[in-house]
Amino acid sequence: QVQLVQSGAEVKRPGASVRVSCRASGYTFSTFDLNWVRQAPGQGLEWMGWMDPKRGDTASAQKFQGRLSMTTDSSINTVYMDLSNLRYEDTAVYYCARSPGTPGFFDFWGHGTMITVSS
Amino acid sequence: SFVLTQPPSVSVAPGQTATITCGGNNIGRESVHWYQQKPGQAPVLVIHYDSDRPSGIPERFSGSNSGNTATLTISRVEAGDEADYYCQVWDSTFDHAYVFGGGTTVSVL
Repeated sequence: QVQLVQSGAEVKRPGASVRVSCRASGYTFSTFDLNWVRQAPGQGLEWMGWMDPKRGDTASAQKFQGRLSMTTDSSINTVYMDLSNLRYEDTAVYYCARSPGTPGFFDFWGHGTMITVSS
Repeated sequence: SFVLTQPPSVSVAPGQTATITCGGNNIGRESVHWYQQKPGQAPVLVIHYDSDRPSGIPERFSGSNSGNTATLTISRVEAGDEADYYCQVWDSTFDHAYVFGGGTTVSVL
């Protein structure tokens, strides 16, 4: 069965960077795009960016450009999301989500990773 | 950017029908997808491409999309349907990005 397993919760200082990993299993890794979606406490869903693991192509929402980096290690079916220059308002649950193509929809989601930005 | 507007909350009695709207300028021209999110859990896709149900989603969930409004309908509502529901489209006009509605909390009375 399809699984997206994410790394654990982290607490970071303002100005620091964070890396969240998402390891995929149960399907052919290269044939689906992977996206990052976040949800601040008590708030709605916010799409951050997507990656094509096969070609390495990426795109991010305008508000994250310059701070968001997405990479992949196909040897272990894992994508990484790096967010730099963290601010208090980056405190959120970060989800990876698979999409059959871009544009499209998100058919499987990771369990989420809580990132807390606190001094 | 493309804006999707959902009512913050909908209340419905068990066995009745819940209707959740998602408004957007000419949204009928876009493909709309819907997600259910229960507290503390990741979202689950319940409708894709306006009205298609993924495998495992009950037939009680249906969708439509026309004009400026997309709609998710939950028939014969059960207590387990209590959740937040989000609509989503791809903004091909402005930002070339995914956009979510603000979410609707469905409460089962």
